[in-house]
Amino acid sequence: DIVMTQSPLSLPVTPGEPASISCRSSQSLLRTDGSKYLYWYLQKPGQSPQLLIYMGSSRASGVPDRFSGSGSGTDFTLKISRVEAEDLGVYYCMQGLQTPYTFGPGTKLEIK
Amino acid sequence: EVQLVESGGGSVQPGGSLRLSCVASGFTLSDFWMHWVRQVPGKGLVWVSHIKPDGTITAYADSVKGRFTISRDNAKNTLYLQMDSLRAEDTAVYYCTRAQASIEFDDWGQGTPVTVSS
Repeated sequence: DIVMTQSPLSLPVTPGEPASISCRSSQSLLRTDGSKYLYWYLQKPGQSPQLLIYMGSSRASGVPDRFSGSGSGTDFTLKISRVEAEDLGVYYCMQGLQTPYTFGPGTKLEIK
Repeated sequence: EVQLVESGGGSVQPGGSLRLSCVASGFTLSDFWMHWVRQVPGKGLVWVSHIKPDGTITAYADSVKGRFTISRDNAKNTLYLQMDSLRAEDTAVYYCTRAQASIEFDDWGQGTPVTVSS
């Protein structure tokens, strides 16, 4: 199975400041066609997860452009250019390269 | 508007069975791979199973293989998860989710809780 790790696991951020979350996979998520099977989800308190980023860097519909995804191979990053209060919650990365699809442990973003 | 509504969760004793349902609306179920993901309260997300649009291909996490069965009835716009031989470690909230062509889970249900306890 592909193991996903994230850092940090807890991220206190002041509104208006940037934030960055790292995700690493135990094997490359890059297919020969160049596609990166890495996704980012946000689970706000008391809610179901919601898709933020797919294929490593594509923003899902309705996701603000302050969210961006980057990376390749085994190292990926989610960046929030300016954190807003509504961004609090737990951020998960997930690999979709092969079953079982696996999630990272989650990064809890807290607003200072 | 896309909606996924799970039901069928509840409390059951170890060794018991439950069947979860997920009714889809706002889109054509037969166009999409569908998945089940579970989450122990306060813990992370765990992929459980998926099924091809026509139901001919399924896959499971090792932890549920041989005990859980995913199925679908596209005519009824419904996804199912039959859970047999339940264990305490199956206690979780179960989400159904729709996958786009690039695997991303773009819509999720609200989840249905399952508690396995004596």
